[in-house]
Amino acid sequence: GIQVEQSPPDLILQEGANSTLRCNFSDSVNNLQWFHQNPWGQLINLFYIPSGTKQNGRLSATTVATERYSLLYISSSQTTDSGVYFCAVETHNQGGKLIFGQGTELSVKP
Amino acid sequence: GAGVSQSPSNKVTEKGKDVELRCDPISGHTALYWYRQSLGQGLEFLIYFQGNSAPDKSGLPSDRFSAERTGGSVSTLTIQRTQQEDSAVYLCASSLYGQGQAQYFGPGTRLLVL
Repeated sequence: GIQVEQSPPDLILQEGANSTLRCNFSDSVNNLQWFHQNPWGQLINLFYIPSGTKQNGRLSATTVATERYSLLYISSSQTTDSGVYFCAVETHNQGGKLIFGQGTELSVKP
Repeated sequence: GAGVSQSPSNKVTEKGKDVELRCDPISGHTALYWYRQSLGQGLEFLIYFQGNSAPDKSGLPSDRFSAERTGGSVSTLTIQRTQQEDSAVYLCASSLYGQGQAQYFGPGTRLLVL
């Protein structure tokens, strides 16, 4: 089956710093989503981005489907950005089930 | 409702007992998914519903696990004869039509089997 790899596994930032999280996947995909899991465990949708670039405030994401990777950019990080960031992909003709990466755990220090 | 809801939020049970977990998807969403998040295994797919049918049950870990969906809305995940390795957070998600659509997750049910 498809492999989804995220890097780095852990990241510690000072408030105000920028960061880039990466998601590599081993096969072509129908869908790619980025989620933020907050300290209470809730998975929050950040981006639905099978290809191209999207921006939402301080966050932006780019997926290059032909090269099988996606990047999540966090600018001017805040302590509330702390948590685990997951990339999840959906392969073709699988009904929409998501295959998740192992996540990047981000800690933003004041 | 405004989002996906799940109940109970927490469940503690004794090994060997049966448990039922409930999911209420976003109104109008035809597709519903169950996932499990555990320390050793990360986030894993369990089962997918399109309407009341379950075309993909491939992620259910054993025959102790079953799920149903009624009225194209609420879904129940049942675990029979619970084991300690069933302890995990069970997450439900819904999407408008299924394939190629964004999925929205509920807050999860934290299950602890003693």
